[in-house]
Amino acid sequence: QVQLQESGPGLVKPSQTLSLVCTVSGGPIRSHYWSWIRQPPGKGLEWIGNVFYRGNTNYNPSLKSRVTLSVDTSRDHFSLKLSSVTASDTAVYYCARDTGDALDYWGPGILVAVSS
Amino acid sequence: DIQMTQSPSTLSASVGDRVTITCRASQRISTWLAWYQQKPGQAPKLLIYKASTLESGVPSRFSGSGSGTEFSLTVSSLLPDDFATYYCQEYNSYSFGQGTKLEIK
Repeated sequence: QVQLQESGPGLVKPSQTLSLVCTVSGGPIRSHYWSWIRQPPGKGLEWIGNVFYRGNTNYNPSLKSRVTLSVDTSRDHFSLKLSSVTASDTAVYYCARDTGDALDYWGPGILVAVSS
Repeated sequence: DIQMTQSPSTLSASVGDRVTITCRASQRISTWLAWYQQKPGQAPKLLIYKASTLESGVPSRFSGSGSGTEFSLTVSSLLPDDFATYYCQEYNSYSFGQGTKLEIK
């Protein structure tokens, strides 16, 4: 059973960089694309981007200038960096396995607040 | 960008009802569409992919249909566990619909 777990700071100051890691267990990371999705409190889902184990990436155009995704196959994890954050980046951030048809396994999510 | 519009935004129904949620794409997306169920405080759960393929372990009372720009998710007979928020997602640019909250009447 594939499991994903997000980790990182729960509080980030405005203008700084939000950094999260998603650790994959129960299945190979070298097999799929891996996505990040976020959900502001009380709102809908927004796809951030995805990364393949070879480093290929795709980004949401609305966030592309601020997002960097990477993967570390030696540690079975992939990462999200979102720069120049503002209060509007406050959200629950999810990682998920991307089959190319859908997001079939999700982490439980991590709430990241942007506040001074 | 492809825009996904779900309707209705809120749906009130009773246990045992048959309900349908629709999702419209701003461009043709063939059958590159998935449906998710999300309960409060939980991550979304995949229900259907490729518009009509039921994810393993998902009850058969859930079904999906459509192609091109018009899609639907149907629950044939609601159980108490089905009251949640449902999202569609297109798989060309990965946009989500705004969600449909299915609430108890």
